[in-house]
Amino acid sequence: GAVVSQHPSWVICKSGTSVKIECRSLDFQATTMFWYRQFPKQSLMLMATSNEGSKATYEQGVEKDKFLINHASLTLSTLTVTSAHPEDSSFYICSAKRDSQNYGYTFGSGTRLTVV
Amino acid sequence: LAKTTQPISMDSYEGQEVNITCSHNNIATNDYITWYQQFPSQGPRFIIQGYKTKVTNEVASLFIPADRKSSTLSLPRVSLSDTAVYYCLVGIYNQGGKLIFGQGTELSVKP
Repeated sequence: GAVVSQHPSWVICKSGTSVKIECRSLDFQATTMFWYRQFPKQSLMLMATSNEGSKATYEQGVEKDKFLINHASLTLSTLTVTSAHPEDSSFYICSAKRDSQNYGYTFGSGTRLTVV
Repeated sequence: LAKTTQPISMDSYEGQEVNITCSHNNIATNDYITWYQQFPSQGPRFIIQGYKTKVTNEVASLFIPADRKSSTLSLPRVSLSDTAVYYCLVGIYNQGGKLIFGQGTELSVKP
């Protein structure tokens, strides 16, 4: 149990275009989901906390107008990278916590974004 | 959130026991200690979580001394497939707190 599906697993886009990444909790409900970014050989950096039915909470230094987060249901959160630039190329990972579970956040398999 | 300090890298050989120690001097009373494993180009995977003393599951053991200012993840008889980055996190995760990752320990298991 506690499976998180992330789609797509990789995407290549042109500079200036927008890309949407989906994060789904397949067998549980998640009021809260988290979005991370990871550059090569670095640790995961928390970008934002996605809350179902309300606005996301962004970490300091993360542009909320560039990284749009929507958590419209208890099983789906989306991250849209708007007007992507090469410096946005990174590995994006989501995670979710089962509301009834005391510990153990589940992570998606990640999305490799390459902006050319 | 309590800051954690781990060795940047460790080397081991197949069949050995590997112990990775994490320091968290500012751990709060309600904080839990959680370890995650991450393979390249994959999301982290939960390994083990504990509050005090010793916790053991089918994958690893977690040793936490009485003062809780450090913890040690023990991997018995590692194999090549255990080569990964291991992260130690401290926080009130049972209350939905956000996970903040430190630098992690890159474990390399050699034949």
